[in-house]
Amino acid sequence: AQKITQTQPGMFVQEKEAVTLDCTYDTSDQSYGLFWYKQPSSGEMIFLIYQGSYDEQNATEGRYSLNFQKARKSANLVISASQLGDSAMYFCAMREGRAGGTSYGKLTFGQGTILTVHP
Amino acid sequence: EAQVTQNPRYLITVTGKKLTVTCSQNMNHEYMSWYRQDPGLGLRQIYYSMNVEVTDKGDVPEGYKVSRKEKRNFPLILESPSPNQTSLYFCASRFAGTPGLSGANVLTFGAGSRLTVL
Repeated sequence: AQKITQTQPGMFVQEKEAVTLDCTYDTSDQSYGLFWYKQPSSGEMIFLIYQGSYDEQNATEGRYSLNFQKARKSANLVISASQLGDSAMYFCAMREGRAGGTSYGKLTFGQGTILTVHP
Repeated sequence: EAQVTQNPRYLITVTGKKLTVTCSQNMNHEYMSWYRQDPGLGLRQIYYSMNVEVTDKGDVPEGYKVSRKEKRNFPLILESPSPNQTSLYFCASRFAGTPGLSGANVLTFGAGSRLTVL
């Protein structure tokens, strides 16, 4: 089974509107971390936001927030007030296990969602 | 400036010609890792290293070798490249210990190396 699933190959949003990018994950670990990265057309990987499995509050970073629903194993990225510069590929990723554990070094990415922001 | 540096950024080579992609970081990170990115597949982990002389396989290690003789360097070696190794490669690093207050130990990525094997 896929550990990280992003079911939206592409999404479109109007400038200034909010958009949600879906991410579901599969793990039996109690301790894990979820990340979102942005990859613009220039190719670099830019860290956006992190959610730990024990964090009680949803993570927020400026216009980015993570809608973390642990029971449903989903970690959707919400971008508010979209800007043209938000057009990019977005990746969800998961790191399982605790520091020092054998699986702690592995980071699994989803397939990515291409977001296009229209003016 | 804190960064991960990969070289070369672009390379076209032929089947069977050994090549090495270098990766160096200046942040004193214990953990380093290599990924390949292919359309529709996202990023897949090739190898990772939790510290000097400690390496482990990721999800797609076949056809690749790594070494970690120094903390700052983590080269990716393709002993006999094949066309199915044509891909965009990323090196990344982070601290390896218990996450701090941020809880993240976020990966810092290099700019990527685009490799074409003919």
